[in-house]
Amino acid sequence: LAKTTQPISMDSYEGQEVNITCSHNNIATNDYITWYQQFPSQGPRFIIQGYKTKVTNEVASLFIPADRKSSTLSLPRVSLSDTAVYYCLVGAGTASKLTFGTGTRLQVTL
Amino acid sequence: GAVVSQHPSRVICKSGTSVKIECRSLDFQATTMFWYRQFPKQSLMLMATSNEGSKATYEQGVEKDKFLINHASLTLSTLTVTSAHPEDSSFYICSALRAGGGNTGELFFGEGSRLTVL
Repeated sequence: LAKTTQPISMDSYEGQEVNITCSHNNIATNDYITWYQQFPSQGPRFIIQGYKTKVTNEVASLFIPADRKSSTLSLPRVSLSDTAVYYCLVGAGTASKLTFGTGTRLQVTL
Repeated sequence: GAVVSQHPSRVICKSGTSVKIECRSLDFQATTMFWYRQFPKQSLMLMATSNEGSKATYEQGVEKDKFLINHASLTLSTLTVTSAHPEDSSFYICSALRAGGGNTGELFFGEGSRLTVL
């Protein structure tokens, strides 16, 4: 299983762009990268998934360099409600179980 | 998006009793479901992989006789905490894997179940 490393915590002001980087040096060829968001006392919520280059949806962008050994979740113009823990997971979807790392605790303030 | 429902969301029980938590995928079939536990301010810890129609696969250190998992249908997996003790108090979360195209898949998580053992 590919291990992931993320910053433990980050702080941001409301309205700023936040970039959270995840390292996954031993990612396998058939692994996808998925990011989840978790609020206290709730289950994680899917944010975005990608394999390479850039993926964008209505809430975030995911940047993956050519070597795929890292990925960056970009949250544009965060608000107070984006305060949560963000997890980066690496796995092959249907073929593997996904293991959670420490996650990044994002605190957004005014 | 797909919905995974857990029940109950909160349960309080006496030490020595057993508690069952249900995990249902409401709008897709899930041959694979996962059970996690999470302590305050910690990450999710994978307990076991639940496969429909076969025995669950437990992670190292997780007692299979303590945490009984049954995945009797493509939309339902249950976790039973047997003879619960205060140290079993935790937030239990399930997830269901929806297969995508090729080798992709997406995990959908339940809302979690908070167990408090008195």
